[in-house]
Amino acid sequence: GAVVSQHPSWVICKSGTSVKIECRSLDFQATTMFWYRQFPKQSLMLMATSSEGSKATYEQGVEKDKFLINHASLTLSTLTVTSAHPEDSSFYICSARDWGLAGEKYEQYFGPGTRLTVT
Amino acid sequence: GENVEQHPSTLSVQEGDSAVIKCTYSDSASNYFPWYKQELGKRPQLIIDIRSNVGEKKDQRIAVTLNKTAKHFSLHITETQPEDSAVYFCAASLMGASKIIFGSGTRLSIRP
Repeated sequence: GAVVSQHPSWVICKSGTSVKIECRSLDFQATTMFWYRQFPKQSLMLMATSSEGSKATYEQGVEKDKFLINHASLTLSTLTVTSAHPEDSSFYICSARDWGLAGEKYEQYFGPGTRLTVT
Repeated sequence: GENVEQHPSTLSVQEGDSAVIKCTYSDSASNYFPWYKQELGKRPQLIIDIRSNVGEKKDQRIAVTLNKTAKHFSLHITETQPEDSAVYFCAASLMGASKIIFGSGTRLSIRP
């Protein structure tokens, strides 16, 4: 199956600093990627949909100025948590759908996740 | 938008018995329903999925059923084994590049 990588796998930062997380599709082109946040013992909550060459679409309640998303190429999307605070500590997971030529593919592939701890 | 509800939140079954997890969805346009297994600290792994033109799909010990009229779908695991212990998520989506909305998850524990 398709492979999605994420970097870093874990990061600790001080309150007020910014952190960038990268999501890459390694063996396919992902015109659309998704960013999720998962708090302990909770479900994956979709934060935003990232589309190559256009602005991200944020879910209701997600601050677009705090969570900056850039989809610079067909294989790379980045999430920057700006002015991070302890309540932003979470597990951030990206995913991409392998979009077949005729739209026949629909499986979503997840990155391994990034554990962010803000002190 | 789509809303997916999942029950139960926790489930404990004796090894060898069956486990059933149920989900409902709100958007009748959804046509793709994947199920994921997530172990602690790891990414969700797709275990089975079903499209709306199919009522049932089976893969060895795992089966999924879909009732489009009632907007219900369920995961059935038979002959449960210790390695089945994990958190399971149902989800709903449109096929293609559309976003996938997750249920709240079920923590499944298999008692030896």
